Amino acid sequence: DTEVTQTPKHLVMGMTNKKSLKCEQHMGHRAMYWYKQKAKKPPELMFVYSYEKLSINESVPSRFSPECPNSSLLNLHLHALQPEDSALYLCASSQEGGTNEKLFFGSGTQLSVL
Amino acid sequence: QKEVEQDPGPLSVPEGAIVSLNCTYSNSAFQYFMWYRQYSRKGPELLMYTYSSGNKEDGRFTAQVDKSSKYISLFIRDSQPSDSATYLCAILTNAGKSTFGDGTTLTVKP
Repeated sequence: DTEVTQTPKHLVMGMTNKKSLKCEQHMGHRAMYWYKQKAKKPPELMFVYSYEKLSINESVPSRFSPECPNSSLLNLHLHALQPEDSALYLCASSQEGGTNEKLFFGSGTQLSVL
Repeated sequence: QKEVEQDPGPLSVPEGAIVSLNCTYSNSAFQYFMWYRQYSRKGPELLMYTYSSGNKEDGRFTAQVDKSSKYISLFIRDSQPSDSATYLCAILTNAGKSTFGDGTTLTVKP
């Protein structure tokens, strides 16, 4: 299984809602990532978990809260988002991260904040 | 200065053409270079991964790295309509993070 599975595929939420994005991989990878991608722009790194510990936080606003319950799962909790947070949110995994960072991406969650 | 800069598109070619996609990077210490392909409404997919100067070939795809010029290229031979996508170059920074170019959108016309 070489897939990274993300749910939901689409999400519409109001600025007062709380929602969560979910990501799962069964490749035995020990590094997992959240990226944000705006239309016609490259992915921007948000968070990296390495061996289930948060190793990189790219100064993302606190309305985004990552969680790594185990080595196969990654969540992104969303609260009080702004319309400018509307984007494609991509989860990725790699074997270990660092110099071996070949990223496997999921198909993403298309988020719209109203 | 951006760590990696990619030739802007869009690029439109006839089927069967040879396509050249190009990026430059800023830091000669970078050693790992990747090319990803992204179809519309999908996540990026790793195409090529290289860590040395020279060419690496995989089927119709050739990745070229020139460390003296800090220049990386992806060549697609015998391009097909199914190659129509956005291509992203990426470098692995000294902090161990992948940083992407802005992408080049390619359309191959039948």
